[in-house]
Amino acid sequence: AQTVTQSQPEMSVQEAETVTLSCTYDTSESNYYLFWYKQPPSRQMILVIRQEAYKQQNATENRFSVNFQKAAKSFSLKISDSQLGDTAMYFCAFINTGANSKLTFGKGITLSVRP
Amino acid sequence: KAGVTQTPRYLIKTRGQQVTLSCSPISGHRSVSWYQQTPGQGLQFLFEYFSETQRNKGNFPGRFSGRQFSNSRSEMNVSTLELGDSALYLCASSPGLIPLYEQYFGPGTRLTVT
Repeated sequence: AQTVTQSQPEMSVQEAETVTLSCTYDTSESNYYLFWYKQPPSRQMILVIRQEAYKQQNATENRFSVNFQKAAKSFSLKISDSQLGDTAMYFCAFINTGANSKLTFGKGITLSVRP
Repeated sequence: KAGVTQTPRYLIKTRGQQVTLSCSPISGHRSVSWYQQTPGQGLQFLFEYFSETQRNKGNFPGRFSGRQFSNSRSEMNVSTLELGDSALYLCASSPGLIPLYEQYFGPGTRLTVT
């Protein structure tokens, strides 16, 4: 079974600063995808970034980038130039590409951006 | 392109009743997944439907069921409601056929069981 661990329940960052959210996962699969989802107080879950396990290059989407360490099974999210609108819960998620694939989420981390 | 829509947004039911939640996926998406979100358990996968067939199922009791229609719209049903079923129920859609594995979520239905 796959597991996703987000060990930090809460983090806080000053506006315009950089913050890194940690995530580790456990799987015996070799082909899989990893995601970071954002859930603002409005509750709409939004996809932030995704990473294919077979790609060595770290994914980047504007101010969001990941540090994907496949051997260490680590998948952290870096948010640069933090904005007030980044305040939300962030979920790390995993899905394998085999049969019966399903999205497995971590417990989430609450990020607060301070003005 | 319109996003995933869920109805109703809020629902209050009494223990023992049953409830049906609806989800309309993004146009062209054939896969619909359902998740239960609670403060204690986090996000848990309920089931996934693709082309009117349940393709995958999580570890929930048989009181939780779902279906998908030919237009890809999906419903989930919970029978004999329990207090512990109070949660935010999220629906997500994805293209499904050649999976991009990206799932797009709806706003959720907040179910309160009293």
